[in-house]
Amino acid sequence: GAVVSQHPSWVICKSGTSVKIECRSLDFQATTMFWYRQFPKQSLMLMATSNEGSKATYEQGVEKDKFLINHASLTLSTLTVTSAHPEDSSFYICSAPRVLTGNTGELFFGEGSRLTVL
Amino acid sequence: KQEVTQIPAALSVPEGENLVLNCSFTDSAIYNLQWFRQDPGKGLTSLLLIQSSQREQTSGRLNASLDKSSGRSTLYIAASQPGDSATYLCAVLSGSRLTFGEGTQLTVNP
Repeated sequence: GAVVSQHPSWVICKSGTSVKIECRSLDFQATTMFWYRQFPKQSLMLMATSNEGSKATYEQGVEKDKFLINHASLTLSTLTVTSAHPEDSSFYICSAPRVLTGNTGELFFGEGSRLTVL
Repeated sequence: KQEVTQIPAALSVPEGENLVLNCSFTDSAIYNLQWFRQDPGKGLTSLLLIQSSQREQTSGRLNASLDKSSGRSTLYIAASQPGDSATYLCAVLSGSRLTFGEGTQLTVNP
């Protein structure tokens, strides 16, 4: 079964509204989670690294005020797309690493959330 | 900066054929390499994880190899089935960053 749960799987909203996407690790704790964005027929683009108890680390070109990330617990990270516009329509995927040994881990991904902004 | 390349970008084969997907990376200082499958409109499903100290991993009809020194990995799929049709992504963990290839879109025709 899934070890990382993402919700909602799809959402349609009006331009100007905010949308929150949740990412949960189900049977392990994750001090770090990753948020990706994927455009059609393209690979995943890392948007930001979510850090439990501290600020997220954003990739170059990603607006931190536009994409708010909160990692309030060891099993939950949220991504809020604020004042969404049609160009924000995309597939958003989160992932969480489960530590195997030392500094290596296996990444598990959520099912993704398809956002459509009208 | 790590760069990951996957060849071919797309592949179409008849059912039953054995096939190989290729992944190359520029920086050999990696922790591990992971192969994923992505169905249209879905998230990623982990197929195989190879630690940097390992040479290969097997799961059912899938076999992944890793040659860290040459910066290459292959995913071998035996006796392909229509249900194998999907996009296959390789990702390399180096430093604190996971870098994805662009993926190979596989179509297995009945």
